Amino acid sequence: GNSVTQMEGPVTLSEEAFLTINCTYTATGYPSLFWYVQYPGEGLQLLLKATKADDKGSNKGFEATYRKETTSFHLEKGSVQVSDSAVYFCALSDPDSSYKLIFGSGTRLLVRP
Amino acid sequence: GAVVSQHPSRVICKSGTSVKIECRSLDFQATTMFWYRQFPKQSLMLMATSNEGSKATYEQGVEKDKFLINHASLTLSTLTVTSAHPEDSSFYICSARIAGVSYEQYFGPGTRLTVT
Repeated sequence: GNSVTQMEGPVTLSEEAFLTINCTYTATGYPSLFWYVQYPGEGLQLLLKATKADDKGSNKGFEATYRKETTSFHLEKGSVQVSDSAVYFCALSDPDSSYKLIFGSGTRLLVRP
Repeated sequence: GAVVSQHPSRVICKSGTSVKIECRSLDFQATTMFWYRQFPKQSLMLMATSNEGSKATYEQGVEKDKFLINHASLTLSTLTVTSAHPEDSSFYICSARIAGVSYEQYFGPGTRLTVT
């Protein structure tokens, strides 16, 4: 079945450090891939998405590239800010599963000033 | 655009009572809405898929008689937790899919339910 695996958190970085959060997936079809961000006490916000292989999603300085050969969708940001502290969820949506979203376990990011 | 609201944002109820949570798409029509449950520091677990005008589809292990879902219009779905117990305390999040756009979901801000 479909699944998403994320790196364990929490990830603690100093401001302006480089961020990578790893995400790999297993899917039977041709999924779309997403990164969502959740700030404390809030719902999820779509951060970026990619719908096919080699697509790069980007938003607010974050980027992720859909790599079919390695079944990965790693999230990166060149210089993090304190305001980026949140929980990040990788997810996939597979047409073979009626486009239900399958979430990874989430990675908590803490950025220190 | 694509804003989803939930009401209430927080609710505290006594064990044995029922609680209704509303999910509304404010600026679009949503043929499909989803209900998730999130435990502290955990991921989201899909509870059910709600299609306008038809019965909800529940995920395995979710009690449909306990978590009643109604999707009466293209902009409103409700989740009623019946005879709530402390173990039902959780963060409930809904999402909505825009009609005609199959893969993208927009999430509400969530409802924190505490059962005492």
